[in-house]
Amino acid sequence: DTGVSQNPRHKITKRGQNVTFRCDPISEHNRLYWYRQTLGQGPEFLTYFQNEAQLEKSRLLSDRFSAERPKGSFSTLEIQRTEQGDSAMYLCASSFTLTYNEQFFGPGTRLTVL
Amino acid sequence: GEDVEQSLFLSVREGDSSVINCTYTDSSSTYLYWYKQEPGAGLQLLTYIFSNMDMKQDQRLTVLLNKKDKHLSLRIADTQTGDSAIYFCAEIFTGTASKLTFGTGTRLQVTL
Repeated sequence: DTGVSQNPRHKITKRGQNVTFRCDPISEHNRLYWYRQTLGQGPEFLTYFQNEAQLEKSRLLSDRFSAERPKGSFSTLEIQRTEQGDSAMYLCASSFTLTYNEQFFGPGTRLTVL
Repeated sequence: GEDVEQSLFLSVREGDSSVINCTYTDSSSTYLYWYKQEPGAGLQLLTYIFSNMDMKQDQRLTVLLNKKDKHLSLRIADTQTGDSAIYFCAEIFTGTASKLTFGTGTRLQVTL
């Protein structure tokens, strides 16, 4: 399978716990994006990497959220001290610089905070 | 500002054409997109159109762009039950070349 993969697919946690999600982009893609989708809404942009550099962050990305892409390949999104409002689907997408307009999405990680 | 609007729900009979509409407010969009999302799944890129085009056709899909009215539509010919999903309109703005801004999605229900 050469598409974008995300792990885990589902995560249930208690309020106050930390969680980490992983995204593996399509191998030749140097751009990687994180989006968040709440029930009944369209995805909202969180942050974007080109190679290992984090180039843009949304105001939605509070200081409890941190994203990394240390080697320019896979990325992790960590949420510290989770809150019930963090419950959502976290989507990862990737693209290639020369075809940046084509973003391909992974299946998402559904987070439920109890 | 960045605002993309879609109607919430559309029901069509199998074999009919579906037309899903979207309006946007920012005229500096460079690309406009249609994504499909099935229950519990990620988003599938269906098609996109560059902002200097009026129309794009890809098999059963036809995209129409009216820049004057800031209106985008997706027509699905010969709609099948497998087309039942949520369809999102999205745009990328000139100069950002990064983030997609999505509408709230239109749920398409295909009935027999």
